[in-house]
Amino acid sequence: EVQLLESGGGLRQPGGSLRLSCAASGFTFSYYAMTWVRQAPGKGLQWVSTISGNDGSTYYADSVQGRFTVSRDNSKNMLFLQMNSLRAEDTAVYYCAKHDGGGIYSLDYWGQGNLVTVSS
Amino acid sequence: QLVLTQSPSASASLGASVKLTCTLSSGHSGYAIAWHQHQPEKGPRYLMRVNSDGSQYKGDGIPDRFSGSSSGAERYLTISSLRSEDEADFYCQTWDTGSVLFGGGTKLTVL
Repeated sequence: EVQLLESGGGLRQPGGSLRLSCAASGFTFSYYAMTWVRQAPGKGLQWVSTISGNDGSTYYADSVQGRFTVSRDNSKNMLFLQMNSLRAEDTAVYYCAKHDGGGIYSLDYWGQGNLVTVSS
Repeated sequence: QLVLTQSPSASASLGASVKLTCTLSSGHSGYAIAWHQHQPEKGPRYLMRVNSDGSQYKGDGIPDRFSGSSSGAERYLTISSLRSEDEADFYCQTWDTGSVLFGGGTKLTVL
């Protein structure tokens, strides 16, 4: 059974940093691309960042480019999102999700989400 | 520019059927999309992928009441025999080189 479990969320002041983690199990983690998606209060789903499974290439939404860094530890089946220079508009529930291949395709499994609040 | 357009809301009665639409922007009618269901306080759930030829690939455990289809630049999700637990937000999702894209979502109300 595929499971994705996010952790590391919480309250930070604007300008602060936070690292989200996603523990994956039930599939060959190293092969699959993984993505972070967020949902701000009252808004829809928004893509944040993706890391491919085949060559570890990384991709970012314009809104987080240069502030967020996605990484993975295939030996521990872990996905990470390092978030720096946080802004109020980064407040959201963050989900990790698995793609159905090594590259960017459909998302076929999601985590339960982790709340990040950026406020002074 | 690749854009997915969804109606903000839809409603249908208990036991009836509803068809949700996701429209791909001009020039992108060949793209596949995925449908996701998002219930309050839960993580989204993958329902299926719908290709431009109408073929569909469902996620694990998705009941037959959920089906997908395609016509031109439109991708559809049909839910039959509606139940109260089907009430949720439904998002279509696609992908391009280096990016993932979501539609704005459709809030389905089961009357």
